[in-house]
Amino acid sequence: EAGVVQSPRYKIIEKKQPVAFWCNPISGHNTLYWYLQNLGQGPELLIRYENEEAVDDSQLPKDRFSAERLKGVDSTLKIQPAELGDSAVYLCASSLSTEYNEQFFGPGTRLTVL
Amino acid sequence: QQPVQSPQAVILREGEDAVINCSSSKALYSVHWYRQKHGEAPVFLMILLKGGEQKGHDKISASFNEKKQQSSLYLTASQLSYSGTYFCGTEKTSYGKLTFGQGTILTVHP
Repeated sequence: EAGVVQSPRYKIIEKKQPVAFWCNPISGHNTLYWYLQNLGQGPELLIRYENEEAVDDSQLPKDRFSAERLKGVDSTLKIQPAELGDSAVYLCASSLSTEYNEQFFGPGTRLTVL
Repeated sequence: QQPVQSPQAVILREGEDAVINCSSSKALYSVHWYRQKHGEAPVFLMILLKGGEQKGHDKISASFNEKKQQSSLYLTASQLSYSGTYFCGTEKTSYGKLTFGQGTILTVHP
């Protein structure tokens, strides 16, 4: 079974530029998550999707971050414009909608903003 | 509110045991445990639902004390492959948001 796929794995941009991350969840997983992980910290939830619907985006900085999950499968997370403080690893995870909520993580995209 | 993990770091020799704790000030529905190696994705280890159950997975087991809102991860006869950062994640409700602790760095030496 293929795992969660993310691209790119690494991205270096200058501040004020836009950037986008892509995620393909495990087939059949209707719940998709985007997390931000700073160095030495645990993942922090940015947004959670149930199929196409964003059910929890309370932690997403909506002035510069946006996300979409068209057709309830792949998802894209965008930052525009990027700031120096956005440098982090962006993780995507997916799960089946069960009470156990076991989440499978992708390898992440390491973003460096110069 | 972020759960608190202790200790922050542990150094072991192969074959030694370790315990990692995860505490919350809020009532919990579940506790999840993940291990992350440097530069890799977090990998799911196990989940414990409220009810005070204990689970085991090879030589790694965990317990959840619902009264204390505390979970402990037990690693016995540690192997080099156990090295990594261990995170607990907590949910306050079913299908709720998973909030991760700050992590515990475990290093196993030969």
